[in-house]
Amino acid sequence: AQSVTQLGSHVSVSEGALVLLRCNYSSSVPPYLFWYVQYPNQGLQLLLKYTTGATLVKGINGFEAEFKKSETSFHLTNPSAHMSDAAEYFCAVRQAGTALIFGKGTTLSVSS
Amino acid sequence: DVKVTQSSRYLVKRTGEKVFLECVQDMDHENMFWYRQDPGLGLRLIYFSYDVKMKEKGDIPEGYSVSREKKERFSLILESASTNQTSMYLCASRPAPGLSSSYEQYFGPGTRLTVT
Repeated sequence: AQSVTQLGSHVSVSEGALVLLRCNYSSSVPPYLFWYVQYPNQGLQLLLKYTTGATLVKGINGFEAEFKKSETSFHLTNPSAHMSDAAEYFCAVRQAGTALIFGKGTTLSVSS
Repeated sequence: DVKVTQSSRYLVKRTGEKVFLECVQDMDHENMFWYRQDPGLGLRLIYFSYDVKMKEKGDIPEGYSVSREKKERFSLILESASTNQTSMYLCASRPAPGLSSSYEQYFGPGTRLTVT
């Protein structure tokens, strides 16, 4: 069975600091992995995705994530946080079949 | 750009009412999904549809039903709304999985439903 664990429901950083949001997964099929972002009162927007090929994937707004098969991880990073990055972030993995399994989410707060 | 729209951003209904949440996508996607989102629980799949008139139960289908009469439209129905169905409801769509599919889903803006 597939599952996603996001470590830390809330992460706080200062503007300009490194952002690290952690995601570990389990999957019985080759994993396709996703990070989505949700700004207040909006739907989810895709940040980046890993399907096959290069394990370091770059997304929008300076975010990137690295797929590490040995660690079953897909952590999201941004070298320099902006106030506009404050949002909720969801990691997801392809479920066998058609759907995605989502983690419980991590709220990122950015202070000036 | 893919556009997924939901009929209402905010909705307030009374206990026992029948509630319809509508979702429309404009990209001819075969697959459509309904999730509910609650604080600390993430997104949980209620129902999904492979194609017109086809539906599958997700993880939490109890108290809900769905309808897909046209490819672009997927409706979520609460037959008799209850207070524990107060939540954010998100609709998503994507093309049918294929050799080049990434399984990426495209989301609507959500409907925040309050049942009093």
